[in-house]
Amino acid sequence: SQQGEEDPQALSIQEGENATMNCSYKTSINNLQWYRQNSGRGLVHLILIRSNEREKHSGRLRVTLDTSKKSSSLLITASRAADTASYFCATDSGAGSYQLTFGKGTKLSVIP
Amino acid sequence: DTEVTQTPKHLVMGMTNKKSLKCEQHMGHRAMYWYKQKAKKPPELMFVYSYEKLSINESVPSRFSPECPNSSLLNLHLHALQPEDSALYLCASSRVDMGFRTGELFFGEGSRLTVL
Repeated sequence: SQQGEEDPQALSIQEGENATMNCSYKTSINNLQWYRQNSGRGLVHLILIRSNEREKHSGRLRVTLDTSKKSSSLLITASRAADTASYFCATDSGAGSYQLTFGKGTKLSVIP
Repeated sequence: DTEVTQTPKHLVMGMTNKKSLKCEQHMGHRAMYWYKQKAKKPPELMFVYSYEKLSINESVPSRFSPECPNSSLLNLHLHALQPEDSALYLCASSRVDMGFRTGELFFGEGSRLTVL
């Protein structure tokens, strides 16, 4: 069953703008991860935030986690055309070992 | 080497065929995964192996049969599939966390399966 729900489902922005994607989940988590997937390709891990962390940065990426609201956001600053991809949040609920559940994803289009 | 290699990249099979998907990693990861992804949908977990033992089977039909012959290899044997099984099959690996928390997954590029 799916745990995370991304919002929006699709996002179109101009190159140089910031992109914000949100993820909501239902049960308690050990950690939350964000992945990127270029069309029809494998997924690439972007960032992991643990349940006791509130914010994390990696290059142009900023992730926040609010466990009281069961939500996370991914901010990509100064977007580039190469950022065009689908972005998924994934949660490790600890319900079983190694059970990572993906949300529905946000399809980001960055227009040059 | 941070790659997960999947073969074949594309596979077309009939409903009576038997075929296998293969996955290999040399990162020393002791957890390996099969995910299924339909078009415009998120990946769905099928199987998890940890230390070459099946630890999770997400109620997958028996026409899908996983195998982990050693710590570097993961196979998915396919038999008597249905057209609705057509999808991208993704293999992934990760380190083992003794607290049973899932860390970063490294994915292969996937095997795109078409069942006629």
